[in-house]
Amino acid sequence: GENVEQHPSTLSVQEGDSAVIKCTYSDSASNYFPWYKQELGKGPQLIIDIRSNVGEKKDQRIAVTLNKTAKHFSLHITETQPEDSAVYFCAASPMNTGFQKLVFGTGTRLLVSP
Amino acid sequence: ETGVTQSPTHLIKTRGQQVTLRCSSQSGHNTVSWYQQALGQGPQFIFQYYREEENGRGNFPPRFSGLQFPNYSSELNVNALELDDSALYLCASSGSRGTGSGANVLTFGAGSRLTVL
Repeated sequence: GENVEQHPSTLSVQEGDSAVIKCTYSDSASNYFPWYKQELGKGPQLIIDIRSNVGEKKDQRIAVTLNKTAKHFSLHITETQPEDSAVYFCAASPMNTGFQKLVFGTGTRLLVSP
Repeated sequence: ETGVTQSPTHLIKTRGQQVTLRCSSQSGHNTVSWYQQALGQGPQFIFQYYREEENGRGNFPPRFSGLQFPNYSSELNVNALELDDSALYLCASSGSRGTGSGANVLTFGAGSRLTVL
């Protein structure tokens, strides 16, 4: 089945710096790759997603890139702010199963210091 | 529109007991999925319900079961609780079951934190 690996597990940056989180997946049939932000005591919140027919997607300070050949996708956050501090999860959605499930990475704890 | 709501938010049980967790899906969503998130880990897929039937299941034993009701709300039941069942249980809803190329955005609730002693 699908396996998603995520790095780094923790990331500390100064306010205004950029942050990059990387994920790899194993199932070439996966075609949907969302990123979720989880704050303490809350459920995961979708921040951006990308489908396999697109190589890059941007939404204000957040961008995601996808390399289908290498089975890599990455989250880029520019001009980080303290409120960006949270745990970020990547996920991949294997297809052709008759239902949808997300396979999550193990998460990256991002700390943005003022 | 209302989001996904879950209850209870926290509960404590002892080994061998049974628990029922509840979820109301986002308005307009007809598919509900349940995930288990152990401390420090990513969520793991338990199962998905569509049209009141389970139509997909992850690697969880049969003592994890569920229901979906005509109003698309859902319950997760866990029998014979074990210590390792301690986790945050997340419900997510979407607009359809996501077959073929139609992967759908999942909206998660805040979860029910279960502690098994």
